[in-house]
Amino acid sequence: EAQVTQNPRYLITVTGKKLTVTCSQNMNHEYMSWYRQDPGLGLRQIYYSMNVEVTDKGDVPEGYKVSRKEKRNFPLILESPSPNQTSLYFCASSFRRPPYEQYFGPGTRLTVT
Amino acid sequence: AQTVTQSQPEMSVQEAETVTLSCTYDTSESDYYLFWYKQPPSRQMILVIRQEAYKQQNATENRFSVNFQKAAKSFSLKISDSQLGDAAMYFCAYLLGAGSYQLTFGKGTKLSVIP
Repeated sequence: EAQVTQNPRYLITVTGKKLTVTCSQNMNHEYMSWYRQDPGLGLRQIYYSMNVEVTDKGDVPEGYKVSRKEKRNFPLILESPSPNQTSLYFCASSFRRPPYEQYFGPGTRLTVT
Repeated sequence: AQTVTQSQPEMSVQEAETVTLSCTYDTSESDYYLFWYKQPPSRQMILVIRQEAYKQQNATENRFSVNFQKAAKSFSLKISDSQLGDAAMYFCAYLLGAGSYQLTFGKGTKLSVIP
């Protein structure tokens, strides 16, 4: 089954404790992206990757890191989480050709206390 | 920068009736893609329908159709014969494509379906 998976689905952590949210896709997509969703703000892009070893900042990159060592994986790293990073996070992937449809993971609910 | 505006934070519709969700966007480009995503309580983002800007014909997927007005930069979603399972947040999104694959989302419209 074609899918994007994220782990963990739920995470409660404390300020400053490094964490990683994993994202994996099995569709051989070149493009991968991370979004955060906050009430009243819709989804905003954090980081994206055009292909292996190619990453770039989205609209809200502060406090986050990413890496793309393999085509299928695109982990999101919070090295020192803060309460304002409490949010719902989505990973998405697509081909770099029309119709550019992005497939989303199930989401990760992160709470930073 | 592109912006997407959904002017209706919440809407409701009677079961079996028709409802239209509004979306406008701002861009100076001529070739782009528009999407409507549905987010039910499960939080999963589900693609409902897409429209390529170069296509004049409005996209249709079963009970879902769009009214794409390129000159007015408007992309509304019509849901016919509304069902209880249509209750969800709906997000309009814009994508430039070909070199920039970023989805720009509106803030969403919460749709309630009244039995």
